[in-house]
Amino acid sequence: EAAVTQSPRNKVTVTGGNVTLSCRQTNSHNYMYWYRQDTGHGLRLIHYSYGAGNLQIGDVPDGYKATRTTQEDFFLLLELASPSQTSLYFCASSETGEEGTLYFGAGTRLSVL
Amino acid sequence: QQKVQQSPESLIVPEGAMTSLNCTFSDSASQYFAWYRQHSGKAPKALMSIFSNGEKEEGRFTIHLNKASLHFSLHIRDSQPSDSALYLCAVGQGGRALIFGTGTTVSVSP
Repeated sequence: EAAVTQSPRNKVTVTGGNVTLSCRQTNSHNYMYWYRQDTGHGLRLIHYSYGAGNLQIGDVPDGYKATRTTQEDFFLLLELASPSQTSLYFCASSETGEEGTLYFGAGTRLSVL
Repeated sequence: QQKVQQSPESLIVPEGAMTSLNCTFSDSASQYFAWYRQHSGKAPKALMSIFSNGEKEEGRFTIHLNKASLHFSLHIRDSQPSDSALYLCAVGQGGRALIFGTGTTVSVSP
């Protein structure tokens, strides 16, 4: 099964702080995604990428930047964190894009105080 | 923008009963329909998916898709306590990432 590793697993920061969430997949998938999960909202798409150097805007991108440095690595950046960004963040990868199975990492729980 | 909605928000079913979950979507051009399951404290994991109108069965799980009605469903036969989880439907349309519904929490009581 596809392996997707997220780090850190838990993160606490203060309002206005900088945070970088990391994601690495080792299955040579072209597609990678960042979602956030909040009670009552399901999974909401932040950013996604078709390959190294590519970035696509998702449905809730405000306050987030992302960068895909290699086929394996996808980073989510919060440059001025706000309490509204307190959430559970999932990274996922897929071989065939929007019509294929997504493989999720274990998630990063972020708290912005 | 695609809207994906699930019903009910939560349900409790007795062990051995049928569990039925619903998902509606707004874009008739949608091409791919999937269900994911997320156990408490874990990552979502794909259950099954369908492209064409009709029914698809895998073990105790069955998907029904009716594109004209903008609706698909998941049915779990002989529900087990291990089926207790959050169920997420997802819809794909060409050129975009999967859009997920808000989820249905299922509790199977022994």
